[in-house]
Amino acid sequence: GAVVSQHPSWVICKSGTSVKIECRSLDFQATTMFWYRQFPKQSLMLMATSNEGSKATYEQGVEKDKFLINHASLTLSTLTVTSAHPEDSSFYICSARVPSSGANVLTFGAGSRLTVL
Amino acid sequence: SQQGEEDPQALSIQEGENATMNCSYKTSINNLQWYRQNSGRGLVHLILIRSNEREKHSGRLRVTLDTSKKSSSLLITASRAADTASYFCATARSYNQGGKLIFGQGTELSVKP
Repeated sequence: GAVVSQHPSWVICKSGTSVKIECRSLDFQATTMFWYRQFPKQSLMLMATSNEGSKATYEQGVEKDKFLINHASLTLSTLTVTSAHPEDSSFYICSARVPSSGANVLTFGAGSRLTVL
Repeated sequence: SQQGEEDPQALSIQEGENATMNCSYKTSINNLQWYRQNSGRGLVHLILIRSNEREKHSGRLRVTLDTSKKSSSLLITASRAADTASYFCATARSYNQGGKLIFGQGTELSVKP
């Protein structure tokens, strides 16, 4: 149980275009989802907390106009990288809290590798 | 901001040996968790230890927590080639922060057959 599906797993786009990444909770409802970014051989950096039905909470230094987050339903959060540039190339991972954990244990999607040419 | 620091950054051992990874953190915590990441994939939760616990076991995993030193260790016994992955500790200051986890820098473990 508590499976998160993330799509696409990889995407290549041209500089200046926008890319949308979807994160779905398959067998549970997630009022909150977390979006992380990871550079090669580095740790995960929390970008934002996605809240169903309200605005996302962004971490310091993360541009909210650059990384648009929408959490329109209890099972879907989307991250849109707008006007993407090569420096946005990275591995993006979403996660949600496991409801049955009784604590803040997270279940993760498989990640989306974005390459901006 | 990242508050977990892990060492070593990379560890290479032979199958059957034990692997020990350490994690230090800076602020008071509610719990500390360990996750595993296979290359190019998402993370998988391994084990959680609460701030009032000192040691926890799960199969071949043993986790210790020393809140006075703000440190934790993950021991994998009788390692296997399939244990090759990156291992991250993660901390949460308070459950009321909505489950927000901050991850350490990670240890890249390579187990050679």
